[in-house]
Amino acid sequence: GAGVSQSPRYKVAKRGQDVALRCDPISGHVSLFWYQQALGQGPEFLTYFQNEAQLDKSGLPSDRFFAERPEGSVSTLKIQRTQQEDSAVYLCASSFDRTGELFFGEGSRLTVL
Amino acid sequence: KNEVEQSPQNLTAQEGEFITINCSYSVGISALHWLQQHPGGGIVSLFMLSSGKKKHGRLIATINIQEKHSSLHITASHPRDSAVYICAVGYNTDKLIFGTGTRLQVFP
Repeated sequence: GAGVSQSPRYKVAKRGQDVALRCDPISGHVSLFWYQQALGQGPEFLTYFQNEAQLDKSGLPSDRFFAERPEGSVSTLKIQRTQQEDSAVYLCASSFDRTGELFFGEGSRLTVL
Repeated sequence: KNEVEQSPQNLTAQEGEFITINCSYSVGISALHWLQQHPGGGIVSLFMLSSGKKKHGRLIATINIQEKHSSLHITASHPRDSAVYICAVGYNTDKLIFGTGTRLQVFP
């Protein structure tokens, strides 16, 4: 596709369930970012990949959060044993390189009941 | 205190008005991004700038590195400009610090 694609767009999970959120970046984009956006707040950095290498995961809020990009294209953000405070929009963005213009996906809205 | 502060938080305007949204930051940066977020979540990058001024259509972005301040201007505003405008600053794209956004509503 022409843009960054995320799925699912909406996910409702029961507390304690595991969820997986997928991001398809723009083809050829080396850099991929995950952000978390709580209601009424600006996005906050979670993690960054350069190709398949996860160069920065300092924003992941706990060890329940795990991200991978095994072949340097599609990325998956996994949240284990979801908690209510995990409810947010999870945004994926890609760029040609680390300093380039960012292209965002539509986001995955996670609601944990 | 957020390292990136935007003002105003909310802004309403009549169609055709000139609009200014301000962004102040406290850290040294290499680039500043202006982003637009429509209801439903999608974010679009409007500008990335490190100095001076950029213009795209009815949108103008300026930055003053010494004063750690940037402005986003919208000329001849239109209802379709209604969105949240977010300022983000940083050294590299992975270290961006985002403001909480300015919610703009333009009425016909």
